[in-house]
Amino acid sequence: GQSLEQPSEVTAVEGAIVQINCTYQTSGFYGLSWYQQHDGGAPTFLSYNALDGLEETGRFSSFLSRSDSYGYLLLQELQMKDSASYFCAVGTNAGKSTFGDGTTLTVKP
Amino acid sequence: EPEVTQTPSHQVTQMGQEVILRCVPISNHLYFYWYRQILGQKVEFLVSFYNNEISEKSEIFDDQFSVERPDGSNFTLKIRSTKLEDSAMYFCASSEPLQGEKLFFGSGTQLSVL
Repeated sequence: GQSLEQPSEVTAVEGAIVQINCTYQTSGFYGLSWYQQHDGGAPTFLSYNALDGLEETGRFSSFLSRSDSYGYLLLQELQMKDSASYFCAVGTNAGKSTFGDGTTLTVKP
Repeated sequence: EPEVTQTPSHQVTQMGQEVILRCVPISNHLYFYWYRQILGQKVEFLVSFYNNEISEKSEIFDDQFSVERPDGSNFTLKIRSTKLEDSAMYFCASSEPLQGEKLFFGSGTQLSVL
């Protein structure tokens, strides 16, 4: 089976940098994705890593270490609108993504 | 920007009734999915669909569930006999070929089974 672990809550102030970690145990692995979900909304794709290293997309970066079964999402220059839930997701078989339980990020002024 | 559209946004039904949730995936996408999310919980995979057949399904997706692509644009999820525990937000998603890890989600259908 698959399991993913990420912190349930993170709090940071506007303008700060926050890192959300994700560790996973899967029987197959294609890559690690990150999604953002605001209350009542749909998950929105943020970033994807298939290979080790850092991927940067604007204020968001994502890192993967396949040997450590570990990844993280880095959010820089936090804004109030970044308050949301963030999910890591592992692609295993073609067509299936398993999501973590989500991390609720609260950005304070 | 292209988007996945879902109808209805809310569906209330009685236990034991059949419901059909509808989705229009992004037009050039070839992979289609259904996920669900019980309030406050994680997003759970139900089924993936490619080339007019199911490519993967979860334990949740039992004989009460079925999917169909009745024409070139729609993708549906049918629950034959709803149970109270089927109450959840159901998300349709689609992805481009060879980019199954980048899912585009619709805004969801909130299903309430009474």
